[in-house]
Amino acid sequence: DTEVTQTPKHLVMGMTNKKSLKCEQHMGHRAMYWYKQKAKKPPELMFVYSYEKLSINESVPSRFSPECPNSSLLNLHLHALQPEDSALYLCASSQGLPADTQYFGPGTRLTVL
Amino acid sequence: QKEVEQNSGPLSVPEGAIASLNCTYSDRVSQSFFWYRQYSGKSPELIMSIYSNGDKEDGRFTAQLNKASQYVSLLIRDSQPSDSATYLCAVNKGRNFNKFYFGSGTKLNVKP
Repeated sequence: DTEVTQTPKHLVMGMTNKKSLKCEQHMGHRAMYWYKQKAKKPPELMFVYSYEKLSINESVPSRFSPECPNSSLLNLHLHALQPEDSALYLCASSQGLPADTQYFGPGTRLTVL
Repeated sequence: QKEVEQNSGPLSVPEGAIASLNCTYSDRVSQSFFWYRQYSGKSPELIMSIYSNGDKEDGRFTAQLNKASQYVSLLIRDSQPSDSATYLCAVNKGRNFNKFYFGSGTKLNVKP
């Protein structure tokens, strides 16, 4: 089973709202990722958690705040977003071994009004 | 210079033909290579991974890796209209092994 789940599937929020995206995997993977993808562009890495510790932050604005409560869960807290933050947000996971395969969840389509 | 380069396409092939998708990468220390398929509005789906020079076959798909030329390709035999999608090449350098470098993707159209 290579399933990564994400909720919600769609989210519409105003620029003053606070919302959270959730990601879950039950494959025993120890690395989890957040990506942002704009239309006709490849996924753009935002954050990496390895063994529940933040290992990579790709200079993401502080209005995006990641959290890894345990090895199966990954959250992305959103606050004071801008319309240009509208995108498909993808979660992925991997075993955490060197050069390992990443498996993607279905994504959350975010629209910021 | 981009880490990973792909022709954006679109690449159009007739149904039943072989589709050939290509990808080059800039860093010789790259260790693992992946092909993902992405339908419009959906998330990337793993097609193949390859780690060693040569060919790796899985059903209608063959991945080819040539580390000397820094080149990886994906062949799709007996192409079907359902193969129409964007194909993303991803490279992992191994040094920071949690980071993938993606190409911009090649859009494939398979015409019935």
